Amino acid sequence: EDQVTQSPEALRLQEGESSSLNCSYTVSGLRGLFWYRQDPGKGPEFLFTLYSAGEEKEKERLKATLTKKESFLHITAPKPEDSATYLCAVQAMGSQGNLIFGKGTKLSVKP
Amino acid sequence: DSGVTQTPKHLITATGQRVTLRCSPRSGDLSVYWYQQSLDQGLQFLIQYYNGEERAKGNILERFSAQQFPDLHSELNLSSLELGDSALYFCASSAHSGLGETQYFGPGTRLLVL
Repeated sequence: EDQVTQSPEALRLQEGESSSLNCSYTVSGLRGLFWYRQDPGKGPEFLFTLYSAGEEKEKERLKATLTKKESFLHITAPKPEDSATYLCAVQAMGSQGNLIFGKGTKLSVKP
Repeated sequence: DSGVTQTPKHLITATGQRVTLRCSPRSGDLSVYWYQQSLDQGLQFLIQYYNGEERAKGNILERFSAQQFPDLHSELNLSSLELGDSALYFCASSAHSGLGETQYFGPGTRLLVL
């Protein structure tokens, strides 16, 4: 069964304290891995798409990397406005396009 | 702003009732997806439409149905509502069939069944 596991469930950082979020996946062939950011009561906001092992993408303080079994979202020198839930999702080769989501990592950054 | 719109933003109704949620995809996008987000289950895929036709089904209850109209907007119909149907319902859209494509999410409809 295709599944996505994110860890940790929650992460508290001080402003400027860099860290990484983990997304482990099990799929019968990966078509793509997607990272989203979700603020409370809002819709998921797209961050990155990764397609193959070794691929990396960056945007401001965020960098996403992909291996054959997991993806990492690295947050460098986070700011309080980076506080949100970060969701990882995969699209399997056998699917028609639907995403399978992990339960997310809730990040809190304190000033 | 993703360009995906959903109405209404909030919906409060009683058990046994029927409601309709509406979604307009980003301009030009042909695929529409519906997801349900509850506190304990996370985001779960319900159903996908591509250019007016049903393309994929997830764990969608028989009490739920959807359609996509010629102008590409979509509606999700929820009937015989139960307390457990209370959740956030999101619509997402992508440019074509969705394979390998990014999905852009709307702001959601919060449904509360009393």
